[in-house]
Amino acid sequence: EVQLVESGGGLVQPGGSLRLSCEPSGFTFSDHFMDWVRQAPGKGLEWVGRARNKANSYITKYAASVKGRFTISRDDSKNSLYLQMNSLKTEDTAVYLCARVAGTYPYYYDYIDIWGKGTTVTVSS
Amino acid sequence: SYVLTQPPSVSVAPGQTARITCGGNHIGSRRVHWYQQKPGQAPVLVVHDDTDRPSGIPERFSGSNSEYTATLTISRVEAGDEADFYCQVWDSSSDHVVFGGGTKLTVL
Repeated sequence: EVQLVESGGGLVQPGGSLRLSCEPSGFTFSDHFMDWVRQAPGKGLEWVGRARNKANSYITKYAASVKGRFTISRDDSKNSLYLQMNSLKTEDTAVYLCARVAGTYPYYYDYIDIWGKGTTVTVSS
Repeated sequence: SYVLTQPPSVSVAPGQTARITCGGNHIGSRRVHWYQQKPGQAPVLVVHDDTDRPSGIPERFSGSNSEYTATLTISRVEAGDEADFYCQVWDSSSDHVVFGGGTKLTVL
């Protein structure tokens, strides 16, 4: 079964840091681009960023709201995706979802075909 | 940055047709994707590339895209279709994913 499982969420004070992890199963992780998407309480989906695969030089992209504070990385040898979050703000409070971008070489698509259930991050003093 | 605009809510009686719109500048030139999210659950892809349905998605779900508006159409609406729906595109100029604000579908 194709699956994504996030972990690492919790309560953190403003200005603090947190590292989220995503563990995929049921597919070849290294072939895919991977996204992080977040959803604040009662709000819509907000794209956080993307990590491309080795064939695309592991290029990362970030939403303006998190650029310079958040870092997406991946370790294909450990089959894991990470989201390092620094300088956290109260407005970063959300459920963070790991997501697989559809397609592999040579056809990379621009939609998400698999979603994790998310891990909750609460930024509060 | 590119903006997608959705109505906050759409209501429809069971058995009727629901149409959820997604507006954007020259959206007809972009590929639009739609996700359904039921309360407490992860989103599910229901339409990709304007009109294509992933396997397992009922034929009642269909999509279209014209110059300024993309539309998700749900025929013969059922109580179980009640959910939030999000449109999404990829903005090539910024190399970013863009989501619409979401539409809550209520089945009366």
